[in-house]
Amino acid sequence: NAGVMQNPRHLVRRRGQEARLRCSPMKGHSHVYWYRQLPEEGLKFMVYLQKENIIDESGMPKERFSAEFPKEGPSILRIQQVVRGDSAAYFCASSPGTRYEQFFGPGTRLTVL
Amino acid sequence: AQRVTQPEKLLSVFKGAPVELKCNYSYSGSPELFWYVQYSRQRLQLLLRHISRESIKGFTADLNKGETSFHLKKPFAQEEDSAMYYCALMGGNQFYFGTGTSLTVIP
Repeated sequence: NAGVMQNPRHLVRRRGQEARLRCSPMKGHSHVYWYRQLPEEGLKFMVYLQKENIIDESGMPKERFSAEFPKEGPSILRIQQVVRGDSAAYFCASSPGTRYEQFFGPGTRLTVL
Repeated sequence: AQRVTQPEKLLSVFKGAPVELKCNYSYSGSPELFWYVQYSRQRLQLLLRHISRESIKGFTADLNKGETSFHLKKPFAQEEDSAMYYCALMGGNQFYFGTGTSLTVIP
């Protein structure tokens, strides 16, 4: 089991461009969580998804951010029209169920120029 | 509001000395508390959770509901314990993480 995979590991975008971050959960895990870590801050919950469903998106900014976890393929965190304040490390975690340990990916570091 | 507080950003101890990483929380229900660790160039991983009452790598943590604390302790620190430690609370569908404490064990 390769563990949670995230790609790309580093992503550079100019202001106004779109950023797409991918997360492949561990085999057998149907629950995916996205977190953002801003400089000097802890991990902040963004969204919790199960296959084809958004369960809790209370941590997602209301505009420009969206997430999906299709039936086939990785979970995608999409940020439209990026701004400098979006620069952060974005972590994905997966688990086999709601009250289980979460397994984390290595993160994607987004830099907005 | 749910919150996890780790008051120390940086903590340095000498090898063999006791270490305590502090964590306080606020949560209206019955929380589940965790400690996650991130070693250099590795991904975040679970260290221990309060419901299992385990000792992992010599670390223990006791949930004190009266003080709303979940401090992480180890009687004798080792160099390989140097890492970033995050306290986390699971409530509802979410994990709430603290800002982390960077532990350095001085040889």
